[in-house]
Amino acid sequence: DTAVSQTPKYLVTQMGNDKSIKCEQNLGHDTMYWYKQDSKKFLKIMFSYNNKELIINETVPNRFSPKSPDKAHLNLHINSLELGDSAVYFCASSRTVAYGYTFGSGTRLTVV
Amino acid sequence: DQQVKQNSPSLSVQEGRISILNCDYTNSMFDYFLWYKKYPAEGPTFLISISSIKDKNEDGRFTVFLNKSAKHLSLHIVPSQPGDSAVYFCAANRRRDDKIIFGKGTRLHILP
Repeated sequence: DTAVSQTPKYLVTQMGNDKSIKCEQNLGHDTMYWYKQDSKKFLKIMFSYNNKELIINETVPNRFSPKSPDKAHLNLHINSLELGDSAVYFCASSRTVAYGYTFGSGTRLTVV
Repeated sequence: DQQVKQNSPSLSVQEGRISILNCDYTNSMFDYFLWYKKYPAEGPTFLISISSIKDKNEDGRFTVFLNKSAKHLSLHIVPSQPGDSAVYFCAANRRRDDKIIFGKGTRLHILP
C-alpha cells in the first residue's frame, strides 16, 4: 500500500511536447512538494502546496505548472519541454517538516 | 549557493565497523537537520533528524551529532551492515520556510 505514488515512473518525450506527472498520497498529510534531482544529483525544491494552496514557488520557469485538485494530489504539468528539463522529479508529502518528508519513487524524465 | 554541503561523494566501510558521514552547513538559522537514505530507482527515505537545540539524537544503530559552533553534523552507523549501502543525503530546514534543503549526497559502500 504505497504512501506516495507517482506516475509514470519513466517518461521519454521529444522537445516541445507537453507532459504531466501525477502524484497521490494516502497519508493524510496537508503539505505536498515537487523536487527535482538534476544531473549533478542535487535535490532542489520546486513547489509546495498546503491543503491545495501554493506555498512555495522556487523560481521555476512558467512552463512548469503544479495543480492540486485536493490535498491528496499534486500533479506537475510541463509545457514546451526542453532538453534541460531531463531529470528525476520527486513528489513528497509531510505532516510537519521536523518529521521529514515521505517521498515517492520518482519519475525519470528524458527529453530527446 | 550551497547551504548544505557534503564534501565526500563516496565512502567505503568494512561490514561491522562504524560508518561516519559528515555534513557542513552555512545558515545558522536552520531549525532541524535531517538525514535521508536513498537506494537506486527509489525515493529518499527519512532516517533520523535532530533539532538545532540538541547535540545528539540516537535511533537504534543510527546516531546524529550536531556541533552548532562548527556548523557541522555527522551521522554514525554502528555496526555497518550490507543493507546500509546507499546514498545518504544531509538536509536542513527553517521552520518558517517549510522546505528542506538537501546536500549533494554521499554514496556509502559497505564492504563484505
